[in-house]
Amino acid sequence: DAKTTQPNSMESNEEEPVHLPCNHSTISGTDYIHWYRQLPSQGPEYVIHGLTSNVNNRMASLAIAEDRKSSTLILHRATLRDAAVYYCILSNSGGSNYKLTFGKGTLLTVNP
Amino acid sequence: DTGVSQDPRHKITKRGQNVTFRCDPISEHNRLYWYRQTLGQGPEFLTYFQNEAQLEKSRLLSDRFSAERPKGSFSTLEIQRTEQGDSAMYLCASSLLPSKIEQFFGPGTRLTVL
Repeated sequence: DAKTTQPNSMESNEEEPVHLPCNHSTISGTDYIHWYRQLPSQGPEYVIHGLTSNVNNRMASLAIAEDRKSSTLILHRATLRDAAVYYCILSNSGGSNYKLTFGKGTLLTVNP
Repeated sequence: DTGVSQDPRHKITKRGQNVTFRCDPISEHNRLYWYRQTLGQGPEFLTYFQNEAQLEKSRLLSDRFSAERPKGSFSTLEIQRTEQGDSAMYLCASSLLPSKIEQFFGPGTRLTVL
């Protein structure tokens, strides 16, 4: 599976935008980019995914670089409830298993 | 939509005992995954089912581990002769392929082996 690289931790202030980066230089043409987050003592929660184009949903936006070697998860206005570990994951649609290979993720701290 | 449920939420057992966990996926989800998460690490893939068929098993799933999904609905994960290294959070997730690839996770079962 292709690897992703994320900062270990980031800090933000409440009600400010947050940009969480992810590098995936070995991404293949059939790899989807997924973002999940995990709040303390909970299972991971789906945030967003994309293939080539930028994506928006009610939780966040996903900006994908033109060469697909990096992406950024954007939380438009961080709240205290957004404090979590954010995982950037690639899954290969070619094999159709869509299993997720998690790294250590980015621990996001949101200051009031 | 009641979400993915797992039972029990916590299990404490002694080394050498057998344990079984249950996962109830979201109704009509055809894909079911098991993951394991140790402290400070991201979840690791263990196995997955498409309906009742187990299609892939990680090398992490030793012979002491077995998973079933007999009727394509709920699934069980059994660990025989537990070891202290089995202590972890066991997570279940389900999805509805091919229309939706996002996985919905349950709250997990925390296993402690003494």
